[in-house]
Amino acid sequence: GAGVSQTPSNKVTEKGKYVELRCDPISGHTALYWYRQSLGQGPEFLIYFQGTGAADDSGLPNDRFFAVRPEGSVSTLKIQRTERGDSAVYLCASSPGMPSGNTIYFGEGSWLTVV
Amino acid sequence: GENVEQHPSTLSVQEGDSAVIKCTYSDSASNYFPWYKQELGKRPQLIIDIRSNVGEKKDQRIAVTLNKTAKHFSLHITETQPEDSAVYFCAASSDYGQNFVFGPGTRLSVLP
Repeated sequence: GAGVSQTPSNKVTEKGKYVELRCDPISGHTALYWYRQSLGQGPEFLIYFQGTGAADDSGLPNDRFFAVRPEGSVSTLKIQRTERGDSAVYLCASSPGMPSGNTIYFGEGSWLTVV
Repeated sequence: GENVEQHPSTLSVQEGDSAVIKCTYSDSASNYFPWYKQELGKRPQLIIDIRSNVGEKKDQRIAVTLNKTAKHFSLHITETQPEDSAVYFCAASSDYGQNFVFGPGTRLSVLP
């Protein structure tokens, strides 16, 4: 696609439920990032994939959060037993990956509200 | 790990004046420094970036300067216009991936 695509754009879920957020990166981009952004804050790093593997998952806040990228393209961020504090915009970004370049391009985000 | 600080958190300028936003970083291995503009409800969009092999880069009304010794870099916007009003984020990363660490943002308001 022309840009990074994220679905759903908005998700309202009840506390305790399971949620999946999907990211479709720019075609050919090998690097994929997930960030979380709360109101008035900068993007907070969650996890970075290079190809199919999670090169850095140090930003995942706890074991309720998990992400996969099985074929090195589409990625899914999975949140179990959601809590109200998980409410935020979840931003996905992709990058060509070195040596082509490491500029990252963001999707529009998935707005998650846990009630 | 990397830590990026950004100042000021809010900035108001008169239309036509210049705006300067400053960031500092902690990891000397970082060598790529992009700036993003985010309008309300929209995605962050890259406006300019700089790599550590140059000290300054300019693109029309925006410029970025980098001081690797002091570990700080700045965004300069000249002849500001109302459409420059947004939140601006700096970030730092190394060439070989790892995560991009973002600053907390600066809310710029350009007053007509």
